[in-house]
Amino acid sequence: NAGVTQTPKFRVLKTGQSMTLLCAQDMNHEYMYWYRQDPGMGLRLIHYSVGEGTTAKGEVPDGYNVSRLKKQNFLLGLESAAPSQTSVYFCASSSVTGGYNQPQHFGDGTRLSIL
Amino acid sequence: DAKTTQPTSMDCAEGRAANLPCNHSTISGNEYVYWYRQIHSQGPQYIIHGLKNNETNEMASLIITEDRKSSTLILPHATLRDTAVYYCIARPYGQNFVFGPGTRLSVLP
Repeated sequence: NAGVTQTPKFRVLKTGQSMTLLCAQDMNHEYMYWYRQDPGMGLRLIHYSVGEGTTAKGEVPDGYNVSRLKKQNFLLGLESAAPSQTSVYFCASSSVTGGYNQPQHFGDGTRLSIL
Repeated sequence: DAKTTQPTSMDCAEGRAANLPCNHSTISGNEYVYWYRQIHSQGPQYIIHGLKNNETNEMASLIITEDRKSSTLILPHATLRDTAVYYCIARPYGQNFVFGPGTRLSVLP
């Protein structure tokens, strides 16, 4: 019963490098989300997806791209990493079965440091 | 979206009930109240949510005032493992969540 799984758990990058964070959910949820959390702050929404093949911008989308080629996976890409993107990244998913008031379920996060 | 206001921090004695308040005085009719918690650096954990009726599950109870301008999350018998940051979120139906800074609850032995 994995729920939401994020890969990798930790990563250190140099400025200008690129990488992709992977989120996988096994709950057959329609919606998926990427958030970032900086020290002492709440979560901020980067991008989200309401279904396979669709994505939308959240509150802080600049510097990130996303793809949802399969329903169970949501990828977050950093094309040219910057120190300001040092953060903890959380993925979440939610179902619309039963209505659009269903809660989101979160993974354990990816801790990303950019030097 | 309704803004929520929570105390920055609270203490609670182990074994006692923890009552966490949340003010959402500008809440609209279609906004649900959700509670999440975040233990240390783990991902947020869903606790409970409701629209206007009080709700109870295995983790907690949610008491929403009749005018819906405030709510209280109740952890009936707090343990040390309940030490966490608790987030109260007022979310319009079908819209995205907005997380504020939350309340840091410390359960003391």
